[in-house]
Amino acid sequence: QSALTQPASVSGSPGQSITISCTGTSSDVGSYNRVSWYQQHPDKAPKLMIYEGSKRPSGISNRFSGSKSGNTASLTISGLQAEDEADYYCCSYVGGSFYVFGTGTKVTVL
Amino acid sequence: QVQLVQSGAEVKKPGASVKVSCKASGYTFTGYYMHWVRQAPGQGLEWMGWINPNSGDTNYAQKFQDWVTMTRDTSINTAYMELSRLKSDDTAVYYCAMELGRQAFDIWGQGTMVTVSS
Repeated sequence: QSALTQPASVSGSPGQSITISCTGTSSDVGSYNRVSWYQQHPDKAPKLMIYEGSKRPSGISNRFSGSKSGNTASLTISGLQAEDEADYYCCSYVGGSFYVFGTGTKVTVL
Repeated sequence: QVQLVQSGAEVKKPGASVKVSCKASGYTFTGYYMHWVRQAPGQGLEWMGWINPNSGDTNYAQKFQDWVTMTRDTSINTAYMELSRLKSDDTAVYYCAMELGRQAFDIWGQGTMVTVSS
């Protein structure tokens, strides 16, 4: 199972919106509405931001939203803030109780 | 509160084995799957597999099938991940992560650094 494809980096100014893509195949992202997104600050454990494609866990800001179209899932961060600067990873359930992560995206707040 | 506390950093020689522990608290340990994920220095996240703490059933990523073993001890609410025949490229931070039944990794341990070096 190959890693899902994410852009290496995305940047934006404070207050702007950015979108991170996560491209898989019809066997993973395209087949299941089970994409999750994780935020990871340097030297910290990842943190769940979105599950089941578009749902936010309790306590996660509504500035974070998820969507999917075909084989590509997306994470949008609106009203970008300095604290959003981090690495972001998507992950998809791929059936048979297996999972695959994306390649990761570094978000820079200019 | 829900918490996963992992064992401390390890330094191992090539060919050795390492066993990382993950102690759960604040919830019913046997009620939720525990996953293991690793991250090599400067690299991305890699899913390794899961264990059902209730039954002991496991499911490993194909890459790790022959050299990872996940176990648990329900008497002390602790999950374990053992990796054998270590190589230098197994140097990574190893995380445990609990799933609340929605195919996502809801709560993460703090990570355990495993260094493989001769």
